[in-house]
Amino acid sequence: AQSVTQLGSHVSVSEGALVLLRCNYSSSVPPYLFWYVQYPNQGLQLLLKYTTGATLVKGINGFEAEFKKSETSFHLTKPSAHMSDAAEYFCAIGGYQKVTFGTGTKLQVIP
Amino acid sequence: DAGITQSPRHKVTETGTPVTLRCHQTENHRYMYWYRQDPGHGLRLIHYSYGVKDTDKGEVSDGYSVSRSKTEDFLLTLESATSSQTSVYFCAISSGGQETQYFGPGTRLLVL
Repeated sequence: AQSVTQLGSHVSVSEGALVLLRCNYSSSVPPYLFWYVQYPNQGLQLLLKYTTGATLVKGINGFEAEFKKSETSFHLTKPSAHMSDAAEYFCAIGGYQKVTFGTGTKLQVIP
Repeated sequence: DAGITQSPRHKVTETGTPVTLRCHQTENHRYMYWYRQDPGHGLRLIHYSYGVKDTDKGEVSDGYSVSRSKTEDFLLTLESATSSQTSVYFCAISSGGQETQYFGPGTRLLVL
């Protein structure tokens, strides 16, 4: 079965600092990987996704993620945090007919 | 934004009462999903549908049933609501199991 593990349920960064949210996956086949963001009182929306090809994936709002097969990781980064980045972030892995989500990481941005 | 709505958006009900939540899409996507979101658990799949009248269970399906009689509508029913079913429920749609999912705004359900 496919799964993802998000390390750290809460992450705090200062405004302007690097954002790094960690996700490791488990899959016996080449994975489809996603990062979603959820703002308060809203549904999830796609930040970026990896299918095949280029291992560095760029998403919306300046976020990017790198697929590292050797480390089974798909960490999300942003060079400089903005107050508007405060939200909950979910890593997910696509499978046959459905997607499995991680437990989420809440990002706090400190002014 | 994908055309996906959920109704009701908020509901308070009593233990033992049946409850039905509705998800409606205008995108003609084949796949529809029901999730519940609880602190510390992320999103957990309740049931999903891969076509009209084609449904399957997710990881937390006990106490829930679904129906899909039209492409655009996916109903989630709590047969006899319990306090443990207090949660935020999200519907999502997708064109394929490995494709992007588009989420509705959610339904907050409180079971007293």
